[in-house]
Amino acid sequence: AQSVTQPDIHITVSEGASLELRCNYSYGATPYLFWYVQSPGQGLQLLLKYFSGDTLVQGIKGFEAEFKRSQSSFNLRKPSVHWSDAAEYFCALRGAGNMLTFGGGTRLMVKP
Amino acid sequence: NAGVTQTPKFRILKIGQSMTLQCTQDMNHNYMYWYRQDPGMGLKLIYYSVGAGITDKGEVPNGYNVSRSTTEDFPLRLELAAPSQTSVYFCASSRTGGDTQYFGPGTRLTVL
Repeated sequence: AQSVTQPDIHITVSEGASLELRCNYSYGATPYLFWYVQSPGQGLQLLLKYFSGDTLVQGIKGFEAEFKRSQSSFNLRKPSVHWSDAAEYFCALRGAGNMLTFGGGTRLMVKP
Repeated sequence: NAGVTQTPKFRILKIGQSMTLQCTQDMNHNYMYWYRQDPGMGLKLIYYSVGAGITDKGEVPNGYNVSRSTTEDFPLRLELAAPSQTSVYFCASSRTGGDTQYFGPGTRLTVL
């Protein structure tokens, strides 16, 4: 069975500070991994994805994520957070049957 | 370019009522999906379709039905609404099963 865990339900950071959102997965083969962002009242927007190759993946809006097979992790990072980054972030894994399995989400709040 | 559109945005139903959530995409994608999002639970796949006339169950199909008569449309039907179906429903589409999924803005449904 495949699963995705986002250990942090809420995170608050100050504007300009760095950010790291954690994502751990369980899957028996090489995973395809995604990070989505959901702004209030909106659908999900793809930030970045990892399929293979370079384990450091660059995405939109200045985000990056690093795939670490040994730790079964795919953490999302941003060096300097902006107030507009306040949103909910979802990590997802594409496994058997091309179905996406989502983590429970991390809600990011940004202090001015 | 509209992408994935969903109607209605909000709806309140009484227990036992029925309704159809509409989803339309204008990207000529073969694959379409319905998810429900509950607080802290991420998104769960209800049904998906790989093309017109072909649908299959996802992780949580009970209480729902779908049809896919055209490439563009993928309506979700609730026959006998129950409080457990109170949720936010997202429709998504992708060109193939392995491609990025694009999400609609969601429908917030409350069953009282």
